[in-house]
Amino acid sequence: ETGVTQTPRHLVMGMTNKKSLKCEQHLGHNAMYWYKQSAKKPLELMFVYNFKEQTENNSVPSRFSPECPNSSHLFLHLHTLQPEDSALYLCASSQEPSGSYEQYFGPGTRLTVT
Amino acid sequence: GQNIDQPTEMTATEGAIVQINCTYQTSGFNGLFWYQQHAGEAPTFLSYNVLDGLEEKGRFSSFLSRSKGYSYLLLKELQMKDSASYLCAVLDSNYQLIWGAGTKLIIKP
Repeated sequence: ETGVTQTPRHLVMGMTNKKSLKCEQHLGHNAMYWYKQSAKKPLELMFVYNFKEQTENNSVPSRFSPECPNSSHLFLHLHTLQPEDSALYLCASSQEPSGSYEQYFGPGTRLTVT
Repeated sequence: GQNIDQPTEMTATEGAIVQINCTYQTSGFNGLFWYQQHAGEAPTFLSYNVLDGLEEKGRFSSFLSRSKGYSYLLLKELQMKDSASYLCAVLDSNYQLIWGAGTKLIIKP
């Protein structure tokens, strides 16, 4: 398997549920990212990890909790979400965390919060 | 504040040429990216410009003018498969990517 994979591709959850999104990259990259993509809005960077260490948290609410056990895997743990959190969540990786490197994206998880 | 502007939607005809513009106001500049995103799929890298001028890559070309804060993506010999959203992103002085909202390109036969 190559590239960046994400599971699940679709998720519907209630506001009281707890779920996790998974991302895996097979490119040997050192940096991984979580983005939120809402319709007709720019990509919103949520978290950046470099060699498993979180280097950026863009004022993301605590109901989103990232985890990076190793440089190939990234999780986003979700709990007590709000309907406005419904969006496409994209994972990406790059060789280094500097933005000057091309980012490789996964297909995303379409999240619906009911 | 930092801002990237690109048209929300454009329509073009198969076989024609289309130019998608992107203007930016950012704190510093370290390069500009174009990504393509088909509906329901991952964004994929198209081009990276850091110097002024035109970069050609097959049917796609990307132009940059740093003094004007302006870039465009030029698509030639349009094909139906070019129907997608095109995302412009600028690398600011802190090497953070600032993204535009994307331009949805609709190709008609």
